This record gives sequence, structure tokens and C-alpha cells, in this order.
Amino acid sequence: NAGVTQTPKFRILKIGQSMTLQCTQDMNHNYMYWYRQDPGMGLKLIYYSVGAGITDKGEVPNGYNVSRSTTEDFPLRLELAAPSQTSVYFCASSSSTGELFFGEGSRLTVL
Amino acid sequence: DQQVKQNSPSLSVQEGRISILNCDYTNSMFDYFLWYKKYPAEGPTFLISISSIKDKNEDGRFTVFLNKSAKHLSLHIVPSQPGDSAVYFCAARGGYNQGGKLIFGQGTELSVKP
Repeated sequence: NAGVTQTPKFRILKIGQSMTLQCTQDMNHNYMYWYRQDPGMGLKLIYYSVGAGITDKGEVPNGYNVSRSTTEDFPLRLELAAPSQTSVYFCASSSSTGELFFGEGSRLTVL
Repeated sequence: DQQVKQNSPSLSVQEGRISILNCDYTNSMFDYFLWYKKYPAEGPTFLISISSIKDKNEDGRFTVFLNKSAKHLSLHIVPSQPGDSAVYFCAARGGYNQGGKLIFGQGTELSVKP
């Protein structure tokens, strides 16, 4: 019963480095999302996807890119890491009308 | 522009008493509201939801109330238990044609004292 799996759980980056946060789900959900959580700010939507090959921007997309080549996977790419991207990142998935199921989170620090 | 607001960052209640967590929203197009619970170092987990066509939904100790005219919803936990101590997020959905994405409030940290 894996649900939504995110890797890595922790990562430290230097300014200007690139990395990809991986997310995979085994519930055959069409909808997938990336959120970031900053202290006192709740969860902000970065990007989302309504199905393979379709992605769209959320509230805070700048500095990030996504792709959705399969139903299961929704990686989030940071091209040039900046200190403002220090956050906890959550991937989530849902069926078309159901509630979101979240992964355990990936804590990213940019120094 | 914060479309979903939780104005109380924290709440402390005694075990056995009622916990009331509040949430306000600004967008009248939201059609579905949810509450999520989050423990440290874990992802949020779904707790309870309510459709915009209803004004109340109950699930065991948890009840959500929706007041559409006031654009306000609240989560009642009765009786509160120490295991309920967590951060609670309210969330609103912008409609089926919005990709099912949720807009979250800032969260309220509930502490239930034994």
C-alpha cells in the first residue's frame, strides 16, 4: 500500500545547483500536484497535472518545471536553486473528484 | 491574495473539551471544502469534507459546518483528545473545471492538554 512516494526525503543544495524531486503514485490517479509548505504560510500550489502529457501552473511556479510522461510519475525540477526555494515540498494525487492523498514530504535546504 | 484564511495560528484546549477551528474564504465559486490534519514530518492526511450544497457534515468526533452567506467554515472536535494535537489545514476546491486543485489556508496548530 505505497500510495504517494516522494524521494529524496532530505536534500541540501548549493545556490545555482539543479535537482529533481521524484514523485510516483500507485493509485492510478489522473490528478497530481506539487505543493510547498513554508512556516505560517500553509501549502502553496506550484504545478499540477490532470493527466499524462498535461501540466499547468499553480500559485507559485517560478523557478520550477514539471513533466508528466506517465500516469504514475510527476517529477519536479529546480533548475537554479535559490535560498527562497528552501521549503518542504509535498506531492499529492487524487481521482477526478476525490480528496488529495499526500506523500511524506521532501525537505530541501538551499545554502 | 489569500483566498482561504485561518486567522488563528494556534489553539490550546483541555482534553475532553470542544475544539473549534475556523476558516474563512473569499471565492464564492469554491464548491467543496476539506480539512486536513498534519503531524510533524508527515504529509497532510484527509480528515473530513463538505460540499457547498450542505451546511453540516459529521464523522464521529468531527463535524464541519459551512456558512455560505458568511463564507465561513468551522471544524468541531468533540471530545478533544491528546492525539488530536496537530496542525489543521482547511482547503477549498475551485470547481471540477479547475483541475481539482485545492487552495489551502495557513493552518492552525491545535494542542490538546491532558
